[in-house]
Amino acid sequence: QQQVKQSPQSLIVQKGGISIINCAYENTAFDYFPWYQQFPGKGPALLIAIRPDVSEKKEGRFTISFNKSAKQFSLHIMDSQPGDSATYFCAASRPQGAQKLVFGQGTRLTINP
Amino acid sequence: EAEVAQSPRYKITEKSQAVAFWCDPISGHATLYWYRQILGQGPELLVQFQDESVVDDSQLPKDRFSAERLKGVDSTLKIQPAELGDSAMYLCASSPRAQPLYGYTFGSGTRLTVV
Repeated sequence: QQQVKQSPQSLIVQKGGISIINCAYENTAFDYFPWYQQFPGKGPALLIAIRPDVSEKKEGRFTISFNKSAKQFSLHIMDSQPGDSATYFCAASRPQGAQKLVFGQGTRLTINP
Repeated sequence: EAEVAQSPRYKITEKSQAVAFWCDPISGHATLYWYRQILGQGPELLVQFQDESVVDDSQLPKDRFSAERLKGVDSTLKIQPAELGDSAMYLCASSPRAQPLYGYTFGSGTRLTVV
């Protein structure tokens, strides 16, 4: 119930294309869903996040789509650039008390020039 | 921009030796987390502090791992004795409050190799 499952494990996209990464969760108590970007040798950095009261959130080229009934959410990167090449992690947490982020397994994204 | 400081960046140690990692969170952040990230996997929480108190150490292997945050500021994570399976990136993160939606900031981590 604490797991977040992420797919695909790796993804190769041509420059200018759309990158799509998917996550699924079981625990309906989760109410905060962030995406993190991690470059080699660095810690993860918050990219964008969503709460379940909205179905979509967009920040620049990055969009989260959220489907509460299916317990799924996804990250879309529009006009993908070589600088977007990194590992992406979805995560989730519950609202009450002292909470932690539960992370997915990660997706290694490569954008070919 | 404020950062979470971690040291050392890299550590190679022999099996059965002791090793320690240090973390200095962003000033004013009451919540501090230690995560372990095995190569190719997502981070997994080891221990969470609220000020100087441990609020979650359910995944911390307490027979060999210990963590402290004595004055509610910086923190140390220790492994004794280290095992080959402990090779991983150890990440520290801090947050102004106990709920992740207030923002997690990660440090660059300590890459541990046990030989």
